[in-house]
Amino acid sequence: AQSVSQHNHHVILSEAASLELGCNYSYGGTVNLFWYVQYPGQHLQLLLKYFSGDPLVKGIKGFEAEFIKSKFSFNLRKPSVQWSDTAEYFCALKETAGNKLTFGGGTRVLVKP
Amino acid sequence: DAGVIQSPRHEVTEMGQEVTLRCKPISGHNSLFWYRQTMMRGLELLIYFNNNVPIDDSGMPEDRFSAKMPNASFSTLKIQPSEPRDSAVYFCATQGGWGNEQFFGPGTRLTVL
Repeated sequence: AQSVSQHNHHVILSEAASLELGCNYSYGGTVNLFWYVQYPGQHLQLLLKYFSGDPLVKGIKGFEAEFIKSKFSFNLRKPSVQWSDTAEYFCALKETAGNKLTFGGGTRVLVKP
Repeated sequence: DAGVIQSPRHEVTEMGQEVTLRCKPISGHNSLFWYRQTMMRGLELLIYFNNNVPIDDSGMPEDRFSAKMPNASFSTLKIQPSEPRDSAVYFCATQGGWGNEQFFGPGTRLTVL
């Protein structure tokens, strides 16, 4: 069965700092990968997704992620965070042949003004 | 489009009562997912439907939980009888087409006293 691991549960950083959140998955087949964000009190929203092609994916709000197949990783990055990036971030995996998403445990990010 | 609509947004009930959560998917989306989010367990998939048919209900915690999708524009998640450990935020998400991302509703925050 597939699984997704997000090793950092909590991250605290200051505005303008760079952010990188780790995501590793376990699955032997071809996958689609997603990063979702959940702002305080809100629902999950898609930040970016990888289906195929260029492994460096750019999403909304200045976020990007890189798919490294050899490392089974899909890390999320943002060069300079803002206070408004305070949220919980979820990495998710989907088998290409299915519909079901498997989510990681989430990483809570607090950006101090 | 109004997005995924869930009702009620908040529900407070007493242990033993029946609770019904409702979801209206985005028009044209043929897959619908019910998730539960808690601090302890994170985001868990309970059940999902394709074309109104339940495909995978392995995440439904026990027989007290049931879900239906009588038509393409409506789904319910019922808990009977409810227990305090059912307190959580329940999200409905829908997906249109094969391989596309899931769109989440605003969630229902359930508190069982």
